Amino acid sequence: KAGVTQTPRYLIKTRGQQVTLSCSPISGHRSVSWYQQTPGQGLQFLFEYFSETQRNKGNFPGRFSGRQFSNSRSEMNVSTLELGDSALYLCASSLLVTGGHEQYFGPGTRLTVT
Amino acid sequence: DAKTTQPPSMDCAEGRAANLPCNHSTISGNEYVYWYRQIHSQGPQYIIHGLKNNETNEMASLIITEDRKSSTLILPHATLRDTAVYYCIVIKGSSNTGKLIFGQGTTLQVKP
Repeated sequence: KAGVTQTPRYLIKTRGQQVTLSCSPISGHRSVSWYQQTPGQGLQFLFEYFSETQRNKGNFPGRFSGRQFSNSRSEMNVSTLELGDSALYLCASSLLVTGGHEQYFGPGTRLTVT
Repeated sequence: DAKTTQPPSMDCAEGRAANLPCNHSTISGNEYVYWYRQIHSQGPQYIIHGLKNNETNEMASLIITEDRKSSTLILPHATLRDTAVYYCIVIKGSSNTGKLIFGQGTTLQVKP
């Protein structure tokens, strides 16, 4: 069974631009969560989608948004990029209907904002 | 969700057992203990979880004390590829969310 895939793997953007990252979960998994990882803040939860609905949201500004499609694929968008948005963005999928604790992570997208 | 405390770093000799402790003294009855690890530059990887009984799978064993206030993840024969950051996370079993709260974890260095 194929794992979680994320595209692109690396991205370089300029301040003020916007970016869209994509995540394809493991087949059959309906929950997709997004995380941001930086050296200073560690791994932080961004949001979770289940059946095309945002089920939980972390403490990030409104510039960070996401969505999930009917096939469970998910995208996250960051608008008006700031230097501090440079990070590894990780997507995770889960099979469980209630409580997606056993999550399977993708390799991440490394975003650099210059 | 209960807070966890882990040592920031540990060393282990290759081929020996690695025992990674986690303190979760405020854990409540319906909270599970989950372990993940993150090898450098990769996404975190689920290892194992448990409620109150000891658990074992192909990757590791999880020993939870009788009072459930602490646990130990055991890698029976550590290899260089086990060098990673290990995270202990406590989650309500009834939680209807995929949200994981990662602490700083324990950096395990396996040495030849």
